[in-house]
Amino acid sequence: KQEVTQIPAALSVPEGENLVLNCSFTDSAIYNLQWFRQDPGKGLTSLLLIQSSQREQTSGRLNASLDKSSGRSTLYIAASQPGDSATYLCAVMRRYGQNFVFGPGTRLSVLP
Amino acid sequence: SAVISQKPSRDICQRGTSLTIQCQVDSQVTMMFWYRQQPGQSLTLIATANQGSEATYESGFVIDKFPISRPNLTFSTLTVSNMSPEDSSIYLCSAEGTHGYTFGSGTRLTVV
Repeated sequence: KQEVTQIPAALSVPEGENLVLNCSFTDSAIYNLQWFRQDPGKGLTSLLLIQSSQREQTSGRLNASLDKSSGRSTLYIAASQPGDSATYLCAVMRRYGQNFVFGPGTRLSVLP
Repeated sequence: SAVISQKPSRDICQRGTSLTIQCQVDSQVTMMFWYRQQPGQSLTLIATANQGSEATYESGFVIDKFPISRPNLTFSTLTVSNMSPEDSSIYLCSAEGTHGYTFGSGTRLTVV
């Protein structure tokens, strides 16, 4: 059974810092991995999708990497801003069309 | 990417009543997924809904409690039946879009 963990559980940083969020999964046989952002009491916003054959994806200040063999992904946020404050969720999909298995999330606070 | 309109966005319901949550997708999708996010927790899959067939439920979720309809390729509903305070959660639907899976904005349900 796939299990997804995320470290740290919470993170508080001053504005402008570069930071790394970590995601680990137990079963390396995945179809893709997706990073989401969730604001309090809200739904999910997709940030980056990495297919199993890819190593990384970039969008603006965000960069996500995937090391499938070791069961790890990282989300790098450059020059953090207070507007980045949210919970960041990592999710993996085993096969095309199947559901995601979510990690517990990292709660990020960026202080002005 | 697919856009999902989910409603209601929130509701406060009396115990013993039922609430139906609707998700409308702006394009045809084969599968839709329904997730639950209990307070302080990550997302857990309730069921997978294919058009034209009965939904497939995950362990711990049953059709009598969470009946799902999928009348066409752009629409699905989830009903939370005979509600109790333990059903207070955010409920989200999901479907595959062009650039990964997208999620509805969520329904924040409080049962009193």
